[in-house]
Formats: sequence, C-alpha cells, structure tokens
Amino acid sequence: GQQVMQIPQYQHVQEGEDFTTYCNSSTTLSNIQWYKQRPGGHPVFLIQLVKSGEVKKQKRLTFQFGEAKKNSSLHITATQTTDVGTYFCAGHRTLDSNYQLIWGAGTKLIIKP
Amino acid sequence: DGGITQSPKYLFRKEGQNVTLSCEQNLNHDAMYWYRQDPGQGLRLIYYSQIVNDFQKGDIAEGYSVSREKKESFPLTVTSAQKNPTAFYLCASTTRSNRKLNEQFFGPGTRLTVL
Repeated sequence: GQQVMQIPQYQHVQEGEDFTTYCNSSTTLSNIQWYKQRPGGHPVFLIQLVKSGEVKKQKRLTFQFGEAKKNSSLHITATQTTDVGTYFCAGHRTLDSNYQLIWGAGTKLIIKP
Repeated sequence: DGGITQSPKYLFRKEGQNVTLSCEQNLNHDAMYWYRQDPGQGLRLIYYSQIVNDFQKGDIAEGYSVSREKKESFPLTVTSAQKNPTAFYLCASTTRSNRKLNEQFFGPGTRLTVL
C-alpha cells in the first residue's frame, strides 16, 4: 500500500549543528505537509508544499518538495534547544483522497548535552 | 478561542473494560480523525469521519469504535477486544476550502494505560 518512508529515525546533533530529515513516497503526492511534535505534546503544523520543486523557508528551516512530488526534505540550520522534538512529514495522494494523510514515521531531533 | 479538546488527559483502565475518549472541536471542521501513537512511533490512523453520521475505518480499526452524531464531536471507544490498548491517542480535525487541502489540527491527546 501507499507508504511514506522517513529517515533517519533519530538524529543526535550538537547545538549549532545542522539537521536534515528526508521523506520518500512510493507514489506521487498532491502535497506534503510537515509537523513538529515536542516531547509530551501533540503534532503542530509547520508548512505545506504543493508545487513540484517547491522550496519554502521559515527562518532557519528550509522545506523542499521534489520535482516528481515523491520526496521531500526538512533542513534546520544551526539547531537550537527549542528545535528539539519529532518532525513528521505527511501527504495526500490526490486532491480527492478523503482528507486522509499518509504519515511518515518521524525523525526525532536530539541535542547532545 | 477555537480549538480541539480531548478528555481526559490521562486514563487508566482495567483489562476487559471498555473506555470512551472524548474529542470536541469548535473549529467548524468537516473532517475528524483518531490516531494512535506508541512510544517512539509515528501516527497510525484508527478511524476518520468526513461528515456527520459517516465514518470510515483506518489502518488499525480493530478493537475500536466511533460515532459522529454531531459535527463538533467524534468520540472513540476502546473496547476490550483491543489487544494492546496502552498508547497515546490523538484526535485531529481539518476542513477543505476551495479544493485546498488544509492542515490537520490536533488535540492535546489522551494517554491510556491498561492495568
């Protein structure tokens, strides 16, 4: 069935280092959404990408949607302690997909002490 | 303030008991969802509803039931048939405007522990 693979599962970084998480879908997606879940919290929407090859930035966060609309990445520059959490990607198969998102398993960002 | 509320935040249940988790939204959203999250895992869809009085099974519906009698409410019942119900349960909602797929808004979640 439809899957979105997300890697890595965990990433340990020193504060100030960069962080990247990648998502790959087995089929074309109509869009990709990114969410952040702080420890003990609930997922919070960050951004949505819709166009092939789209790149969006939010301060130190850069989001990309692949040309084939099958892959996406989130890159954080110079991580801070406030970035700690799990980052999820999720996409819709088509615009008429019954509102159902296909979720990646998430990448947990851990700041080394 | 508009949002999604879930109650209770923590719930303890004895084996063999059914339990109902509440989810209410005042965002006027059409669609509502229930997800299960296990420690260190992603989100797995249990049930979803696009409209009042209609709902569909997600990937892991066995042992769960739902109802959607009102637009703002989507309660989830964890039955005794659910083999391993201890988990974090998240409710979410969304709407769609002008054929744009909008983001899902999540409630704070309910942590269910079966003793």
